Amino acid sequence: GDSVTQMEGPVTLSEEAFLTINCTYTATGYPSLFWYVQYPGEGLQLLLKATKADDKGSNKGFEATYRKETTSFHLEKGSVQVSDSAVYFCALKRNYGGSQGNLIFGKGTKLSVKP
Amino acid sequence: DTEVTQTPKHLVMGMTNKKSLKCEQHMGHRAMYWYKQKAKKPPELMFVYSYEKLSINESVPSRFSPECPNSSLLNLHLHALQPEDSALYLCASSQEAQGYPEAFFGQGTRLTVV
Repeated sequence: GDSVTQMEGPVTLSEEAFLTINCTYTATGYPSLFWYVQYPGEGLQLLLKATKADDKGSNKGFEATYRKETTSFHLEKGSVQVSDSAVYFCALKRNYGGSQGNLIFGKGTKLSVKP
Repeated sequence: DTEVTQTPKHLVMGMTNKKSLKCEQHMGHRAMYWYKQKAKKPPELMFVYSYEKLSINESVPSRFSPECPNSSLLNLHLHALQPEDSALYLCASSQEAQGYPEAFFGQGTRLTVV
């Protein structure tokens, strides 16, 4: 079945460091891919998305490129801030098959950014 | 506006109580969902409503009963819960249109069963 694999956390970085959180997926067809962020005590916020191969999603300095050849959607940010401390979830969703709501999540990666 | 509103934010209930969680969106989205999230875990899908009809029930115990009164509202009725049902309950909605697959989540209801 479909699945998402994220790098294990927690990830601890100093402010202004470069961030990469790896995400790979297994899916039939051509899913849409997402990164969601969850701050402590809150719900999930959509960070960025990509709906087809080679699409680059970007938002708030974060970027991820849909790589079909490597089935990856790695999250990157050039300079992290303390306010980026949160849990990041990679997710996929099928684009066919009547599977509304079939978001498949990775296990999540906790990021802590120190001043 | 990408807001999904959930009430209440926190709920403590006994195992014999009946309570309801509420969710509202005014984005015109046609699909709405309930997820359950335990600590340090990703959300788990419980139910999906598409065009106000239940389309997915992920084998959820009958003590959880969803309801979709109209296209903007989604309820989750709770009865005779167990302590292990304590979790963050998240509502989400999506447009389900070509090119717009993303789901938007509410802030969640933190449920504690005592």
